[in-house]
Formats: sequence, structure tokens, C-alpha cells
Amino acid sequence: DADVTQTPRNRITKTGKRIMLECSQTKGHDRMYWYRQDPGLGLRLIYYSFDVKDINKGEISDGYSVSRQAQAKFSLSLESAIPNQTALYFCATSGSSSYTQYFGPGTRLTVL
Amino acid sequence: LAKTTQPISMDSYEGQEVNITCSHNNIATNDYITWYQQFPSQGPRFIIQGYKTKVTNEVASLFIPADRKSSTLSLPRVSLSDTAVYYCLVVGNTGFQKLVFGTGTRLLVSP
Repeated sequence: DADVTQTPRNRITKTGKRIMLECSQTKGHDRMYWYRQDPGLGLRLIYYSFDVKDINKGEISDGYSVSRQAQAKFSLSLESAIPNQTALYFCATSGSSSYTQYFGPGTRLTVL
Repeated sequence: LAKTTQPISMDSYEGQEVNITCSHNNIATNDYITWYQQFPSQGPRFIIQGYKTKVTNEVASLFIPADRKSSTLSLPRVSLSDTAVYYCLVVGNTGFQKLVFGTGTRLLVSP
């Protein structure tokens, strides 16, 4: 089984809808991250969490919110989806004493 | 976090050694240099990390000069399956909210 899983893998939705992307990990890591990647571009950090009670905004947090339900679960929500949020979304984890990040397979989100 | 600069693309042939250099002029004392590989529609995969001098693992070597303002990822004897985008990332405990994977270096390996 994969160490970092994301659901759903693909999602098509309409403008204005609320969407939740979920991430689960079995690596026992404290730190979790959400990134988005647009075609031909690198990854940009949306939110990160260093433990269950710690949530921090990344560079592009506007229009997104997160919830760290447990050490192993970190969800990303789009409160009211808009077309320019169409992108590939990745969840990642890392240990508290390491900067090495382990990525999930990604969620391809299309907002019509 | 230190801004990084890499070549946009590189071409190579199977069996050759490939060296990808990353510039990070304002690296901080506590920052580490990390390289990732990404295939299309997949998440980045950790390759190697270092702080100074040379680090080697089963897939790559990382060379870091004494001033640490640049680093070079070396891939020995590349194969077609090494065609991917390679990202250089400088990471430390400060400025984490600005963590960004740049556009990376697109490596194309031909037969």
C-alpha cells in the first residue's frame, strides 16, 4: 500500500461548489503539506501543518482552507471553487527532524 | 528561503553522465539542499539531500562547494527512464511559508 494516499484522484466540479480533497499517510510523520501545480510550472505551497494543532498558510492560501483531523489526515477545502483553481494538487509529508518530503499521487481537479 | 535558479532544460543520451547545476546565492547557514525528480502527472520523488561537500547514494551524487551558493546533481549513466523534471530545493527552519518548487530542469534522455 502507498504511504501517502489522496482521494479523489480526479474530480470535475462547477464554479461555486465546495470541494474537499483528502490526504492520508501511514509514514507516522508529523508534518503535512498541500501544494498545487499548474501546467508547465513548479509546485506552490498552499498550507502546511507541523503537527495536529499547528496550521500555517503557504504562499497561495487565498481561496483554500485546511483541516488536520489527526496526525495521519490532512484535508484541503475549496470553499467556493473557481476555474483558476483548476490544477494538480499534491499532498506531502515529512518527519519533524527531516526536510525530505514524500508526495502522494496527486488529485487532478477541474473547475468548470 | 533561498531562491534557486536552474537551467530550464537539458538534453542527453543514454549512458552519459548528466550534471544539473542549481544556483542558490542567498542560502542560509541552516539550510539544506534537496533534489527531487518528477514524472508527468506524478508527485515529486526525493533523490538526494546534502549540506556541504559531496553526498552519494545509489542513484545520484550531489556536489556542494565550500561557499554553498550552488550545487550540482550528477546522474551517472542516464537511461531513457531518467527523462523527467528535476527540482532543486533549499530548505531550512525559517521562511517555510515561502517554500516553492521552481520550474525545475526538464531532462530529456534520447537513445
